[in-house]
Amino acid sequence: QKEVEQDPGPLSVPEGAIVSLNCTYSNSAFQYFMWYRQYSRKGPELLMYTYSSGNKEDGRFTAQVDKSSKYISLFIRDSQPSDSATYLCAMSSGGSNYKLTFGKGTLLTVNP
Amino acid sequence: IAGITQAPTSQILAAGRRMTLRCTQDMRHNAMYWYRQDLGLGLRLIHYSNTAGTTGKGEVPDGYSVSRANTDDFPLTLASAVPSQTSVYFCASSDVEGTQQFFGPGTRLTVL
Repeated sequence: QKEVEQDPGPLSVPEGAIVSLNCTYSNSAFQYFMWYRQYSRKGPELLMYTYSSGNKEDGRFTAQVDKSSKYISLFIRDSQPSDSATYLCAMSSGGSNYKLTFGKGTLLTVNP
Repeated sequence: IAGITQAPTSQILAAGRRMTLRCTQDMRHNAMYWYRQDLGLGLRLIHYSNTAGTTGKGEVPDGYSVSRANTDDFPLTLASAVPSQTSVYFCASSDVEGTQQFFGPGTRLTVL
């Protein structure tokens, strides 16, 4: 079993839709969870950062972490064409280990 | 605010040649990382450095070397390039306590 699983998509939605992106993981030591957005031919951009379980909201974006189920989600409300990108989940156990484990990314297209 | 800069932006290289990819950050982050990103394989860690003067191997270190003489610079060297090293290379950095990594714009390398 891979440490982090992420559906690669592609996912295509109409403008204004609510988008749900998800990752599952197997390492119970993970306690830091991140979502990155990567536009075509650009570097990954940190979008959301969450520690342990719970929700975090930033504008149209909401990140959820359920450590009991080893499941994290990113919700995008009122999706816009500018949200079209690849979304990568990433996680870490923290402490002296700074290394991140990434999902392979989900390609999202928001159609106007 | 520059963040992380990488050079060159892209490069075509003959197999067997030596190549150094440059990475500089101005955020005074202690930790720095090199990743390669390949279609279907996602981001894979090549080497990392938790602080100046120390380096460590990541998931795919073979054929690559790094050095960390100071806080700001983290060059990646391919001693004798092979076609399988054709990829997009990203440098990233993070601070001491957080695991939030910030990425550079990438170097697109083609080895023929």
